Amino acid sequence: DIVMTQSPDSLAVSLGERATISCKSSQSVLYSSNNKNYLGWYQQKPGQPPKLLIYWASTRESGVPDRFSGSGSGTDFTLTISSLQAEDAAVYYCQQCYSIPYTFGQGTKLEIK
Amino acid sequence: EVRLVESGGALVQPGESLRLSCAASGFTFSTYSMNWVRQAPGKGLEWVSYLSSSSDATYYADSVKGRFTVSRDNGKNSLYLQMNSLRAEDTAVYYCARYNYDYAGGASDIWGQGTMVTVSS
Repeated sequence: DIVMTQSPDSLAVSLGERATISCKSSQSVLYSSNNKNYLGWYQQKPGQPPKLLIYWASTRESGVPDRFSGSGSGTDFTLTISSLQAEDAAVYYCQQCYSIPYTFGQGTKLEIK
Repeated sequence: EVRLVESGGALVQPGESLRLSCAASGFTFSTYSMNWVRQAPGKGLEWVSYLSSSSDATYYADSVKGRFTVSRDNGKNSLYLQMNSLRAEDTAVYYCARYNYDYAGGASDIWGQGTMVTVSS
């Protein structure tokens, strides 16, 4: 199984500042035939289902603000929120969709400082 | 509106069975593979099961293999999860989610609100 490890487990960032979350996979999730990383990022707020933010590691889902960006390839990935807004307080998860089981990271709780 | 609505969650005793349902609307259900994902209280997300659009491929997490069975009825736009021999560790909110391979590389782009399953004596 591919193990997904996020860091940090939690972080507190001031409004307007940048937030960065790391996600590392135990194996590459880059599919060589199409050069795409099978890695998604989700945001989950209390009492709500997860919401897809980023897929293919760096493609923003429709309707997601452009302050959210994803980067990385192979085994190392990053979710960046460029200018934190109050509504961004949530838990963020990465998930690999490269191979079964489609494992998630343990989550990173983002709070407003 | 694209929508997934789960139902069937309940309080059951260890060893009992339960069947969850997920009703899809607003998209061509029969052309999408689907996932079940669960979340234990206060914990992270755990992928549970995958079912292809035509039901010819099914996959399960090791934690539920042999006890859970996923199925679908494309004529009724519905996805199901039959859960047998339930254990306390199966207690969780269960989400159905649309698996979008062509557009999102297998990421789940649509999620239901979830249904709560509690296994306790």
